[in-house]
Amino acid sequence: NAGVMQNPRHLVRRRGQEARLRCSPMKGHSHVYWYRQLPEEGLKFMVYLQKENIIDESGMPKERFSAEFPKEGPSILRIQQVVRGDSAAYFCASSPWTGDEAFFGQGTRLTVV
Amino acid sequence: GIQVEQSPPDLILQEGANSTLRCNFSDSVNNLQWFHQNPWGQLINLFYIPSGTKQNGRLSATTVATERYSLLYISSSQTTDSGVYFCALLNQAGTALIFGKGTTLSVSS
Repeated sequence: NAGVMQNPRHLVRRRGQEARLRCSPMKGHSHVYWYRQLPEEGLKFMVYLQKENIIDESGMPKERFSAEFPKEGPSILRIQQVVRGDSAAYFCASSPWTGDEAFFGQGTRLTVV
Repeated sequence: GIQVEQSPPDLILQEGANSTLRCNFSDSVNNLQWFHQNPWGQLINLFYIPSGTKQNGRLSATTVATERYSLLYISSSQTTDSGVYFCALLNQAGTALIFGKGTTLSVSS
């Protein structure tokens, strides 16, 4: 029973490039959440998706960030024109339904140089 | 929105000692989880405990929803217990876990 799978584990991008982070939820889970963790801080909610729908994106920056969870394939968090302040660990979590126990992936550590 | 406060912010223990970590929250709870973030950054589920008491080996947790707090007990601590312990609650909309700032635990041998 594979857990939440995120890739890549580490990603280095130059300023201005695009970053694409992938998340495959646990088997049987159709709810996906993305969080960002800055160094020495807790996790901050970004977006909550169900298959093909964005349910809550109240934590997403208004520009350059987008997320999707297509009918087939992993959820994608996309950051366009990255800046140094985007450097952080990005975690994905999944749950079988709203409000149930959430399980986290190992995260993607994005470094913008 | 829900406020989640954890205490103490830092804790230093000798191996074998016991400890209690506290999580206070500002609103009623439908979902409360405790996580351990190990030194490699991995988030490990410890407890899903919106109310009551649960135990798993040397760890146990109690949530008193009516008084808006949860406690995590670690007994006979080991160096592998080191890391950051987070408490997280589901927001009112049921769409996001709101995390506390964590308790950083260091256990030395």
